[in-house]
Order: sequence, then structure tokens, then C-alpha cells
Amino acid sequence: GAVVSQHPSWVICKSGTSVKIECRSLDFQATTMFWYRQFPKQSLMLMATSNEGSKATYEQGVEKDKFLINHASLTLSTLTVTSAHPEDSSFYICSARDREKEDSPLHFGNGTRLTVT
Amino acid sequence: DAKTTQPNSMESNEEEPVHLPCNHSTISGTDYIHWYRQLPSQGPEYVIHGLTSNVNNRMASLAIAEDRKSSTLILHRATLRDAAVYYCILRDFDNNNDMRFGAGTRLTVKP
Repeated sequence: GAVVSQHPSWVICKSGTSVKIECRSLDFQATTMFWYRQFPKQSLMLMATSNEGSKATYEQGVEKDKFLINHASLTLSTLTVTSAHPEDSSFYICSARDREKEDSPLHFGNGTRLTVT
Repeated sequence: DAKTTQPNSMESNEEEPVHLPCNHSTISGTDYIHWYRQLPSQGPEYVIHGLTSNVNNRMASLAIAEDRKSSTLILHRATLRDAAVYYCILRDFDNNNDMRFGAGTRLTVKP
């Protein structure tokens, strides 16, 4: 089945530093990838839609200068949390859909747990 | 955006069937009904999806009401590994294609 690989699975960083999270579709190509954030005991919140070869579309309230998204190829999207602060600590999850299959479901990565100290 | 409503939590006994309901009264004609589940500290896992007709796969069955304003995910024999949060989501095929998650139903399976 289709696989989305997310790396790293967890990261601890100091306040003020930047962290990059990678999302790869391993056996399919994805024109669009989605980034979600999930706080403890809450549902997933869509942060942004990553579009290959063009700018990402951010949800209301999500700062595009803080959460930099790059979708340089059909199999890779990256999310960089810039100048991270403790309130950015969360579970970040990416997802992608096979562009060859119109009715394909979303395939999710296993998430990245970010802890900012 | 069309929204879904699910019970916050449900309980089931192991090896018994489970029916997880979802209301989506504002569903539009191009919305697909998707179900995902999420285990602790993992990304969501696709379960099943459909448009109008009932659907079956190796994991579950999806029963869709005739007016499409509600659906039910059916796990035929719950196992302890089925304990998870189950999300019912509408995907607008013609518009944006993004998927927004509601609160979901936390399913507890008792041995």
C-alpha cells in the first residue's frame, strides 16, 4: 500500500532554533501534501496545504513566516518551524494523496513530536 | 465547509460488532465520506470511504444513509487493536480536496 514517511519521528530543540521536518511519499507522487498539528487530547488541525512547484496555502491563524513549507518535488515536502518556542511543542503530521488516483484516500506519515525547551 | 458530528466516545466488548455513527446533514453532492482512525502517538490510518453506496473492505463496512446525511462505520468483530479514535470526514472532490478533522469518536474495546 501507499506509504508516507515522515522524519524525524521526534525532536527536541532549544527555544529560538529552527527545526525541519520532512515528509516523503515513498511509492507514489503527490502534487499536494497537507500539514497538520495536533495538541494532546485534541484532534488534528490543518495548518497548510503544500503544492508542488508553487506556494503553500496556509490556514487562517497560521503564520507563514514561522512555518515555512517547501514542496520541491512530487515526493517531498518539508515544514520548517523557525525560531521555535515552547508553545510550538506539538505533534506534527503530514499527509499526501496519490496524484494518479483521483479517488485515492489520504496517506499519513507517523508524525513528528516536537518538544521545544 | 461541511461538518460531521460524532459521539465523543463509545465502548465495545471484544469480538462483538461495533457501529460508529456519523451525522453530516450539510453534505453536498460531491462530498465523499471518509473514515480514518488514529492510535496513540501515530498518524491517522485510512479505514474506508464511499460516496453513495455501502462499501466493504477487509477492515470494515461503511453504511451510507439513502439521503447521505448520515453514515455508520461497522467493525464486524472488534479486537483490542481496534481501540482508537475514529474520524469521519467529508472530502469535497471538486473543491480543494483538503480534509478537516472533527473531534472523532474514542472507541474503547473491553476484553
